[in-house]
Amino acid sequence: AQSVSQHNHHVILSEAASLELGCNYSYGGTVNLFWYVQYPGQHLQLLLKYFSEDPLVKGIKGFEAEFIKSKFSFNLRKPSVQWSDTAEYFCAVNAYSGAGSYQLTFGKGTKLSVIP
Amino acid sequence: SQTIHQWPATLVQPVGSPLSLECTVEGTSNPNLYWYRQAAGRGLQLLFYSVGIGQISSEVPQNLSASRPQDRQFILSSKKLLLSDSGFYLCAWNTGSNQPQHFGDGTRLSIL
Repeated sequence: AQSVSQHNHHVILSEAASLELGCNYSYGGTVNLFWYVQYPGQHLQLLLKYFSEDPLVKGIKGFEAEFIKSKFSFNLRKPSVQWSDTAEYFCAVNAYSGAGSYQLTFGKGTKLSVIP
Repeated sequence: SQTIHQWPATLVQPVGSPLSLECTVEGTSNPNLYWYRQAAGRGLQLLFYSVGIGQISSEVPQNLSASRPQDRQFILSSKKLLLSDSGFYLCAWNTGSNQPQHFGDGTRLSIL
């Protein structure tokens, strides 16, 4: 079964600092990759997705992620964070499980706190 | 546009009481539907998923069950709640298992 590791439980940054959140997965087959964000008091929202196209994926609100197949990684980046980026971020891996089905596995999440 | 509704938003129940949480999706047909439990620091745990009416797959053995009486309705139930059933429950849907999932606002369940 696949697993997803998010290395940082809690990241604290000052506004304008650069962000990189790590995500590694263990699965050797076909995968689709997602980053979700959960702002305080809100539901989970899709931030960006990777579907076998350009390994550098652009998402909403200036976020991007790079899929490095050889490293089984899909790290999330933003060059300059804002206070409004304070949220919990979840990496998710959708792995092909056969017969046209995929199984989605989430990482444990990384809380980002941005200090004004 | 598609929307997903979960209710209630919060629920406080005594141990041993029954449970029914409801999730409905609008604006799409034959969605895949999912129930998750989200625990702080532990991410999302898939409980059940359904690819069609009456078709339920259980991922984790537990005190809960799920049903899909209509195409866009997914219900999470229990006959007798345990203290360990406390948590935050999320419903989600997508149009195919390889597609991103879209989440409801969740239900905070507290068992006393």
